[in-house]
Amino acid sequence: GQQLNQSPQSMFIQEGEDVSMNCTSSSIFNTWLWYKQDPGEGPVLLIALYKAGELTSNGRLTAQFGITRKDSFLNISASIPSDVGIYFCAGYNAGGTSYGKLTFGQGTILTVHP
Amino acid sequence: SQTIHQWPATLVQPVGSPLSLECTVEGTSNPNLYWYRQAAGRGLQLLFYSVGIGQISSEVPQNLSASRPQDRQFILSSKKLLLSDSGFYLCAWSALTTNQPQHFGDGTRLSIL
Repeated sequence: GQQLNQSPQSMFIQEGEDVSMNCTSSSIFNTWLWYKQDPGEGPVLLIALYKAGELTSNGRLTAQFGITRKDSFLNISASIPSDVGIYFCAGYNAGGTSYGKLTFGQGTILTVHP
Repeated sequence: SQTIHQWPATLVQPVGSPLSLECTVEGTSNPNLYWYRQAAGRGLQLLFYSVGIGQISSEVPQNLSASRPQDRQFILSSKKLLLSDSGFYLCAWSALTTNQPQHFGDGTRLSIL
């Protein structure tokens, strides 16, 4: 099935640095999501974006819903060791017969060196 | 608030044995429910989804089946496990009537020997 193009695939950064990752799609979505997954656990929803152009923050995290509805980015400012994990973007179209099925990116593995 | 529970957390099974993984959701009614498999910590693959009791849609042909005997219960099963069924299985729920995105359980690590 379709996958979103998420980049970068991995990042190795120093504690305190800012992080930026993005997702692009060939299709339009009316909702974009960002999840974080710690080893051995399920993905946890970080930010949900429901409107094109929307910019939403959650603590040190900021995400934007691209105005074309085909892309989104996530920024993490002043990274800390507990930011380590895999970050996934996902898109879906609420309503109709999509049943909320998500299309996922391949994930970005983030490593933070103290 | 809503919570989702999956069990067991880990499972080691021999090839050819049956499987039953259970997922339950609390604090909501008529959720959409989903089963995913994740290999090697990347890439979630949707296996099944359900929009109501007894309604199951399969996304990929495979050795597994799903059932929804109650509104907030979703079960993943197999009659005879294969080595290739090893992986990390995740259950998720969403509430589309309120445009709630999917929330995931903690997963089951399944190892086939």
